[in-house]
Amino acid sequence: GAVVSQHPSWVICKSGTSVKIECRSLDFQATTMFWYRQFPKQSLMLMATSNEGSKATYEQGVEKDKFLINHASLTLSTLTVTSAHPEDSSFYICSAIPVETQYFGPGTRLLVL
Amino acid sequence: ELKVEQNPLFLSMQEGKNYTIYCNYSTTSDRLYWYRQDPGKSLESLFVLLSNGAVKQEGRLMASLDTKARLSTLHITAAVHDLSATYFCAVAPGGGADGLTFGKGTHLIIQP
Repeated sequence: GAVVSQHPSWVICKSGTSVKIECRSLDFQATTMFWYRQFPKQSLMLMATSNEGSKATYEQGVEKDKFLINHASLTLSTLTVTSAHPEDSSFYICSAIPVETQYFGPGTRLLVL
Repeated sequence: ELKVEQNPLFLSMQEGKNYTIYCNYSTTSDRLYWYRQDPGKSLESLFVLLSNGAVKQEGRLMASLDTKARLSTLHITAAVHDLSATYFCAVAPGGGADGLTFGKGTHLIIQP
């Protein structure tokens, strides 16, 4: 089946630093990828749609200058959390659609101290 | 704004019993997804339902979709402990190429 990978799987950083998370489609090309965030014991919330070769589309309430998305190739999208704060600590999950359903990466757990 | 509501949000049941999880959504959509999430893990795709009346089954799980009622169900037959997980339904408001709107999830515990 389709495989979506993420790196790193977990990261701990200091408040004020920036963190980059990579999302790769390993066996298919993805012109569109999605980034979600999940807080503990809550559901997933769509943050943004990452479009290869063009600007990302952000959901209402998501700061585009804080969560920078780059989709430079058909197999890689990156999410950079800039000037991270403790409230940005969360589980970040990307997804892509190889055929008819969205496949999710394994997620990146971010802890900001 | 699309809303997706699941119920129950928490369910504790015994092995061997049957139960149904319900998923209602507020706007028209022709595809609905069910996912499973184990603690600390990402989402595993269970079913994608693409049309009114669609029914899919995998093992002890069966999902159905009624687009007129905007309702999907996930039925568990003769539950076993390994099915303990959180189950999410999700809807793509504009079709298959859109990001998903998720329900709050149903935390299912199956006790021996």
